[in-house]
Amino acid sequence: QSVLTQPPSASGTPGQGVSISCSGGSSNIGRNSLNWYQRLPGTAPKLLIFGDNQRPSGVPDRFSGSKSGTSASLAISGLQSEDEAEYFCAAWDDTLNAVLFGGGTKLTVL
Amino acid sequence: EMQLVESGGGLVKPGGSLRLSCAASGFTFSGSSMTWVRQAPGQGLEWVSSINSNSFSIFYAKSVKGRFTISRDNAKKSLSLQMDSLRAEDTAVYYCAKEGRALGAFDLWGQGTVVTVSS
Repeated sequence: QSVLTQPPSASGTPGQGVSISCSGGSSNIGRNSLNWYQRLPGTAPKLLIFGDNQRPSGVPDRFSGSKSGTSASLAISGLQSEDEAEYFCAAWDDTLNAVLFGGGTKLTVL
Repeated sequence: EMQLVESGGGLVKPGGSLRLSCAASGFTFSGSSMTWVRQAPGQGLEWVSSINSNSFSIFYAKSVKGRFTISRDNAKKSLSLQMDSLRAEDTAVYYCAKEGRALGAFDLWGQGTVVTVSS
């Protein structure tokens, strides 16, 4: 049921910036809020960004979200080794009446 | 401290049933929409089902509709997922999660409970 598309992998070196994309359609990203999750190995997912570009309390401002039309991006600046994780985008779909997750992007900090 | 604790996972044969529970504490459960999300081995996250605060709005993923039933007891601060006619492809870690300030924004997650469907 996943129709949100993410690249399977991304990488960067410590201190660098990296961007992860998420593309969808008019019934999901084009119409509803886009949210981002971080999943560290062996742990439950953690909400990083909600409402396209809002950070929950406690999330560093190194993480930022943006959206344009039916695509969105998660930007991470000043990469740190602890950012190595899998990142998922998610949005409600008005046609399917379902929450769609992207396939996930595994971020490697070299 | 806000917390969600799942229980009820285990090994079940194809065609069998299992009931997952999620105990909530530290927040106003009766005012929160709740959700089940799963992650199969080596796969990404998959939304399973959501229920709003008064149980009037319930949604299911196409893959589980007609087999799974979500419910809640606000007095007991508990969320449940009754899973019937289980299939091998239902094998996953099941998480309960609380919806926050946007649709699809789950701001509190449990630790997960493992469901294995195998003969």
